[in-house]
Amino acid sequence: KNQVEQSPQSLIILEGKNCTLQCNYTVSPFSNLRWYKQDTGRGPVSLTIMTFSENTKSNGRYTATLDADTKQSSLHITASQLSDSASYICVVRKVNTGFQKLVFGTGTRLLVSP
Amino acid sequence: EPEVTQTPSHQVTQMGQEVILRCVPISNHLYFYWYRQILGQKVEFLVSFYNNEISEKSEIFDDQFSVERPDGSNFTLKIRSTKLEDSAMYFCASSVQGNYGYTFGSGTRLTVV
Repeated sequence: KNQVEQSPQSLIILEGKNCTLQCNYTVSPFSNLRWYKQDTGRGPVSLTIMTFSENTKSNGRYTATLDADTKQSSLHITASQLSDSASYICVVRKVNTGFQKLVFGTGTRLLVSP
Repeated sequence: EPEVTQTPSHQVTQMGQEVILRCVPISNHLYFYWYRQILGQKVEFLVSFYNNEISEKSEIFDDQFSVERPDGSNFTLKIRSTKLEDSAMYFCASSVQGNYGYTFGSGTRLTVV
């Protein structure tokens, strides 16, 4: 079954600290993997997109890694800020007759405290 | 930066009533989507739309749901007879094509009472 599992479910860190969020997926066939940031009551905003051949991609203080062999990805946030408090969602695009269909994980709710 | 615009931001409706959720995708995008997120749960795919027809739909998207692109700019989701369990955040998204350019709107919070 096409699944995207994330851990931890929630996380509290102090401002300025780093953290790493995990994503495991079973979606197949795999096209690409995305990390989104979702503020409460808002739509998801893309942070990174990685294809099968990419291992690492950075976007400012966000660095995503992908191991397509083990079907695992991580999102590392460096020097966290209060504005990083949000849900971080791992999303996998499944290849399906050429049209895009995204499979969402349950998300990790991050709280950055002062 | 181009945005996907959704209206209204919040809609309250009585059970059994019809609702239409509206979206204005990014102008040069060709693919359009609706997703929903029940409070506290993950985002779920509803339907994708390309070349004026549905390209894929999920099991959630039953006969009570329909989508339409009535003109060159709007993309709508209609729920014919709302149920309590339709209460959710509904997100519209659009993409250019292929793997990139997938942009979500801010969502419409639908509350069925």
